[in-house]
Amino acid sequence: QKEVEQNSGPLSVPEGAIASLNCTYSDRGSQSFFWYRQYSGKSPELIMFIYSNGDKEDGRFTAQLNKASQYVSLLIRDSQPSDSATYLCAVNYNQGGKLIFGQGTELSVKP
Amino acid sequence: GAVVSQHPSWVICKSGTSVKIECRSLDFQATTMFWYRQFPKQSLMLMATSNEGSKATYEQGVEKDKFLINHASLTLSTLTVTSAHPEDSSFYICSAGILGQGHQPQHFGDGTRLSIL
Repeated sequence: QKEVEQNSGPLSVPEGAIASLNCTYSDRGSQSFFWYRQYSGKSPELIMFIYSNGDKEDGRFTAQLNKASQYVSLLIRDSQPSDSATYLCAVNYNQGGKLIFGQGTELSVKP
Repeated sequence: GAVVSQHPSWVICKSGTSVKIECRSLDFQATTMFWYRQFPKQSLMLMATSNEGSKATYEQGVEKDKFLINHASLTLSTLTVTSAHPEDSSFYICSAGILGQGHQPQHFGDGTRLSIL
């Protein structure tokens, strides 16, 4: 069974700090990795996706992928209270587009 | 970016009613649409994968006769919850993608909150 694991949190960081969110996956055949942000009562919105080993940066967000360790992470620099949400890690293990979601990590950024 | 529209956003109805939810891709042709269900404090659970012009593929444990999926065109998929009961109350979310472009992210609709009394 293909699994995606995240710490459920809550993860609490002060405003301006770096928030680090982690995700591991079980299937070595996984090809693409996505981070979604979900505010309470809303549907997920895409933050970043990555499919090559290494780092990918977009503004305050950096996604890191290590396929050997089956590990993907999301760093949020200069965290803001508006970043407070649940962050969902999702993995696509084939070209069909089917995503397997982790249980999500709740992030709280304190002013 | 790509836009996926989902309608209605909120439904409250009596037990035994059938409810239809629509998912439309507004600015691209979606060969594949996905239907998810999310209970409070839980993650998204994939219910089924819908490919245009063919039967939907349901995940294990999802009743295909209860959750009817139709993907009649490249821009529209519908989910019908038949004879809904209170345990079907949940947040239903669709997403759309393009077959063969697995590296490209799915685009989510705004979701439908279904409450069965």
